[in-house]
Amino acid sequence: DQQVKQNSPSLSVQEGRISILNCDYTNSMFDYFLWYKKYPAEGPTFLISISSIKDKNEDGRFTVFLNKSAKHLSLHIVPSQPGDSAVYFCAASATSSNQFYFGTGTSLTVIP
Amino acid sequence: DADVTQTPRNRITKTGKRIMLECSQTKGHDRMYWYRQDPGLGLRLIYYSFDVKDINKGEISDGYSVSRQAQAKFSLSLESAIPNQTALYFCATSDLLFGGTDTQYFGPGTRLTVL
Repeated sequence: DQQVKQNSPSLSVQEGRISILNCDYTNSMFDYFLWYKKYPAEGPTFLISISSIKDKNEDGRFTVFLNKSAKHLSLHIVPSQPGDSAVYFCAASATSSNQFYFGTGTSLTVIP
Repeated sequence: DADVTQTPRNRITKTGKRIMLECSQTKGHDRMYWYRQDPGLGLRLIYYSFDVKDINKGEISDGYSVSRQAQAKFSLSLESAIPNQTALYFCATSDLLFGGTDTQYFGPGTRLTVL
């Protein structure tokens, strides 16, 4: 049973506009969330994280929002750039657990 | 040089063969992990190790075994490969508590095909 879900397999956005990638989770014990970016033929690379004690974390063009009541997080990229074109994975873990659970990924294409 | 390396990068093998995938890291991290990625399923944890003497099963350990030969080396074995083990395999490392502010660093992946 998929505990972390990314319901949009793909997303296309014009360069300069906002990209919003969504992620839902089912386990209320999850208290730490991350986003990874993956280019073809490379491993995932860490992008940004958020702890459940926060509802927002920002790093340059990337902002992650967490809505614990809805068990939903989102990654905003503003402004989007062609180099942002990649597959984005969200991941979640619980302090009481030793495992991260990954979503299925969303392929973002930023159109020049 | 890459911090986390995996060998081989690609491998085609036959059903029933024994296969070993190797991972080495130069980051000095204690914690190492093996994941597999399948289309539509994301990354799933196979095994993880928090130090040389510590080995733990992940979400999908059946059909796999691991060996932590040193802090820097963590290998994954398929004793008798089967076609549904065809996947992209990733090794990862981290040096902080699992959860909290832990961040994992991934290798480039090994594409394994079992015929």
